[in-house]
Parts: sequence; C-alpha cells; structure tokens
Amino acid sequence: QVTLRESGPALVKPTQTLTLTCTFSGFSLSTSGMCVSWIRQPPGKALEWLARIDWDDDKYYSTSLKTRLTISKDTSKNQVVLTMTNMDPVDTATFYCARFLTGDSSFDYWGQGILVTVSS
Amino acid sequence: DIQMTQSPSSLSASVGDRVTITCRASQSISSYLNWYQQKPGKAPKLLIYAASSLQSGVPSRFSGSGSGTDFTLTISSLQPEDFATFYCQQSYSTPYSFGQGTKLEIK
Repeated sequence: QVTLRESGPALVKPTQTLTLTCTFSGFSLSTSGMCVSWIRQPPGKALEWLARIDWDDDKYYSTSLKTRLTISKDTSKNQVVLTMTNMDPVDTATFYCARFLTGDSSFDYWGQGILVTVSS
Repeated sequence: DIQMTQSPSSLSASVGDRVTITCRASQSISSYLNWYQQKPGKAPKLLIYAASSLQSGVPSRFSGSGSGTDFTLTISSLQPEDFATFYCQQSYSTPYSFGQGTKLEIK
C-alpha cells in the first residue's frame, strides 16, 4: 500500500526558508523509474508543479522558482525534502508530495497536503 | 515551458448528463496528458493517464482522448459523486504544468 505524508510548519514568516518533508511507504526511491514531486496549490487556485527528484538523484525544478527551491532525498528514511527560500505571503498554499512513475508518466499517489501560511 | 489551457473554466450539469472537458497544450505533447479530479479539501486523484488509459479503480464512465495538442475528458453519465474540479496535466517534459481547472457543478 503506497502512502505519502507531508510534514512541516503551518506558519512561516516572510523572508524565512520553508522546509517540508515527504515521508512515504509502499515503494522505494532506489527503484528504477520511481520519482517524487512537490506540487502546490494556493487557496482557491490551480495546481502548480514545483520539483521532482528521481531514483538516480536527477532533479528538476519549476522555471520560475528554481532559484528558490532545493529538493533532496534520504532513501534510507524514505523521505524527500523540499526547501523554499525567501518565503512571501503569495507563497501561501497547500503543498502536496506525489509519486511519479516514469513508465506511466503520471502522479498516481498523493499525500494529503499541508497548508503553509506565510505571514508576519 | 508548455502552457495548458482548459475549457470551460466552469460547467453546470445534471446527474445523468454527458459532459466533455477540453484541454489544449501550447505545443505537441504526444499522449503525455493526464487528468485529475479534486474534491474540496482533498488531494487530486488520478483518473486518466497517457491521454486515454483509465487508472485502476476509476469508473468506466470516465474516458479520455486526444493526442498532440488537443485532448478531452468525457464523463458519460454524471453521478452525484463526480461533482468536483478537474485538471489536465502534461508530463511530456519538465517543468510539468497543469491546466487552470474546470469546476463541475450541479445544475
């Protein structure tokens, strides 16, 4: 059974760095073709893809946010970490992590999401 | 970056209706197109992958078609549990992108 769960702060101040952790089970990020992505969704708005990390440690980022994002993995802990620097109130959103299989090229399992509010 | 445009942005329909949502990519994405359903307060759920493949466990009233730049999601006979927001997403190349969403409401 595949599950993913996001964890991190619910509130951050402007200019701070956000660190989110995705803890997953039911698959291994050392298996060929396995990837994990982060996706965010501001309240009432559309989904926005942020980043992806692959089984072989390849990494991909949103064009508009790549200078602020870092994605990493700890395969032994079944965790993927996303950091986003210089947070702003417009970054307030629900952040999701999701599994991506290169074979099907889709996000087949998602975490429940974590709402992060940026406010002083 | 590839832009995804959905239409309509919102749609009112009745139980039993046949509904079609369209998605257009700003360049050819072959069949690398996925559809998701999202209900309020919940994570998106994968419905269709590779333009026309039904995800396991998804009812057969959902279907997808298209290739290149134009795609459609069809619900053959709306059920009460289908009212939600639907998103298309291209996985042809990173950075991945989603459409702006289509909110399906009860008439």
